[in-house]
Amino acid sequence: RKEVEQDPGPFNVPEGATVAFNCTYSNSASQSFFWYRQDCRKEPKLLMSVYSSGNEDGRFTAQLNRASQYISLLIRDSKLSDSATYLCVVNNDYKLSFGAGTTVTVRA
Amino acid sequence: DTGVSQNPRHKITKRGQNVTFRCDPISEHNRLYWYRQTLGQGPEFLTYFQNEAQLEKSRLLSDRFSAERPKGSFSTLEIQRTEQGDSAMYLCASSLVAASTDTQYFGPGTRLTVL
Repeated sequence: RKEVEQDPGPFNVPEGATVAFNCTYSNSASQSFFWYRQDCRKEPKLLMSVYSSGNEDGRFTAQLNRASQYISLLIRDSKLSDSATYLCVVNNDYKLSFGAGTTVTVRA
Repeated sequence: DTGVSQNPRHKITKRGQNVTFRCDPISEHNRLYWYRQTLGQGPEFLTYFQNEAQLEKSRLLSDRFSAERPKGSFSTLEIQRTEQGDSAMYLCASSLVAASTDTQYFGPGTRLTVL
């Protein structure tokens, strides 16, 4: 079983739509959690950290459920520039474990 | 540009050749990480350094792979006797260990193609 599992998508949504997806992780001792964004053939870039209380950064909302070992990301009012692969990331003793990514395409 | 830099950006080599990649982390960062990413997958951890000490190596890092960070600044990753299965993007990341955060910032990667 992979340490981080994600729905690969793709999610194909119109501009202005809301899109949400999630991941699960297997190590209950994981210390911290992130969403990274990766554009085609580029490096991953930190989108946001994820906290147990839930947190927002502009149009992005992340949630963490430690009991269910589940992390979610919601994007409101999607923009064309949101098209990317979103990587769910778990930090275990300073080593990041990545999901395979969820592909989101926002169409005009 | 004060981000993580990697050289070369692309490397094409023939099977059996040795290759070496370089990573320059963000200047004040004391941790440096190497990851490998193949098509359709997320990056996989290979190894990491705190200052010049290599603290952990993944079982993915076979004996053909060696990494160094001699002065606690830049790092090199060498692959000896390359195989076609080594074809991947090799990503370097750095972080500053602090009380509240250990965010890793990635370089642009070195894309290796083994023919």
